Amino acid sequence: DIQMTQSPSSLSASVGDRVTITCRASQGITNYLAWFQQKPGKAPKSLIYAASSLQSGVPSKFSGSGSGTDFTLTISSLQPEDFATYYCQQYNSYPRTFGQGTRLEIK
Amino acid sequence: EVQLVESGGGLVKPGGSLRLSCEASGFTFSSYSMNWVRQAPGKGLEWVSSISSSSSYIYYADSMKGRFTISRDNAKNSLYLQMNSLRGEDSAVYYCARESGTISGVLVDPWGQGTLVTVSS
Repeated sequence: DIQMTQSPSSLSASVGDRVTITCRASQGITNYLAWFQQKPGKAPKSLIYAASSLQSGVPSKFSGSGSGTDFTLTISSLQPEDFATYYCQQYNSYPRTFGQGTRLEIK
Repeated sequence: EVQLVESGGGLVKPGGSLRLSCEASGFTFSSYSMNWVRQAPGKGLEWVSSISSSSSYIYYADSMKGRFTISRDNAKNSLYLQMNSLRGEDSAVYYCARESGTISGVLVDPWGQGTLVTVSS
């Protein structure tokens, strides 16, 4: 199985900051990676697919990059609604695996 | 509006069974693969199972093989998850999610609101 490791596990930032979350795959997954945002008590929401393609309706302050084993999600100009937990998921092969999540908190 | 609504969750004793349903609306259900993903209380997301549009391809997470069965009824726009031999560690919110194949890649969206399964004596 492909293991997905996110870093950091938690992150404190201020409104207006730019943050980057990293996701590393235990083996190459080309660009078969998605990013999701989840707020407490809510279902996950798709942000990015194919490593860098922005889901329709998602603000352009979210961006993804990477290929192979190393990927990043960058959020520019943080707003209060961006404080949530973020997950990466590989869909290169089954079982599809998620990272453990990165909790983004307000400093 | 594209919508997924799960149902069927509840309290069940260890070793018991439960059948979850996910009713789809607002899109041509028979054209899409579907997924089940779960989240234990306070924990991260865990992929459970996927089924292709015509049920030709089915996949499970290792810990669920032999206990869970995914199925769909395209005539009823519904996805199901039959869960048998339930254990405490199966307690979680279970989400269904639509999967789209695009030129760029696979998009898993939208997700339902989830249904809570609690396995306890």
